[in-house]
Amino acid sequence: DADVTQTPRNRITKTGKRIMLECSQTKGHDRMYWYRQDPGLGLRLIYYSFDVKDINKGEISDGYSVSRQAQAKFSLSLESAIPNQTALYFCATSEVAGQYTGELFFGEGSRLTVL
Amino acid sequence: AQTVTQSQPEMSVQEAETVTLSCTYDTSENNYYLFWYKQPPSRQMILVIRQEAYKQQNATENRFSVNFQKAAKSFSLKISDSQLGDTAMYFCAFMKHGGGRRIIFGKGTRLHILP
Repeated sequence: DADVTQTPRNRITKTGKRIMLECSQTKGHDRMYWYRQDPGLGLRLIYYSFDVKDINKGEISDGYSVSRQAQAKFSLSLESAIPNQTALYFCATSEVAGQYTGELFFGEGSRLTVL
Repeated sequence: AQTVTQSQPEMSVQEAETVTLSCTYDTSENNYYLFWYKQPPSRQMILVIRQEAYKQQNATENRFSVNFQKAAKSFSLKISDSQLGDTAMYFCAFMKHGGGRRIIFGKGTRLHILP
């Protein structure tokens, strides 16, 4: 089983719909992240959480919200999806020691298409 | 603000050849970390190699090595004896040492290893 699991893997939805992408991890890491990948733009940070009570905006948080339900779970919501949110979304984790190593552990990605 | 630039959007090489992927970055920090992440067609990203800026010795992981030129702010990845399984998108990334722990990614280089 994957250490970082994202659901759904693929989703097609319509403009205006509410969408939730879920991430769970079995690595025991405190830190969790949501990134967005667009062709030609690399990965951009949406939100990150250093523990259950700590949520921080990344560089492109507008139009998104997150919930850290437990140490192992971090969900990303699009309250009213729009076509330019069509992208590949990644959840990632790191351990506290990762602040010195920088290693992120990624899920397999959730491809979202907004029509 | 830090930036990471990968000037080669796409590259192709024959199997068994050596290939070098370029990365430059801009920062005023003195202590930081640099990374190369690999994203194969399966989508899941994995860390290939990491370099601490305070270390003069270039990092090496089996067939993967880096050429870290701190003064020039250059961080290239060399893949020796390339294999078909090296076909992937490669991302260069930067993380400053200190607060925030945010990792900044380049836009990626798509590498094709040809049989």
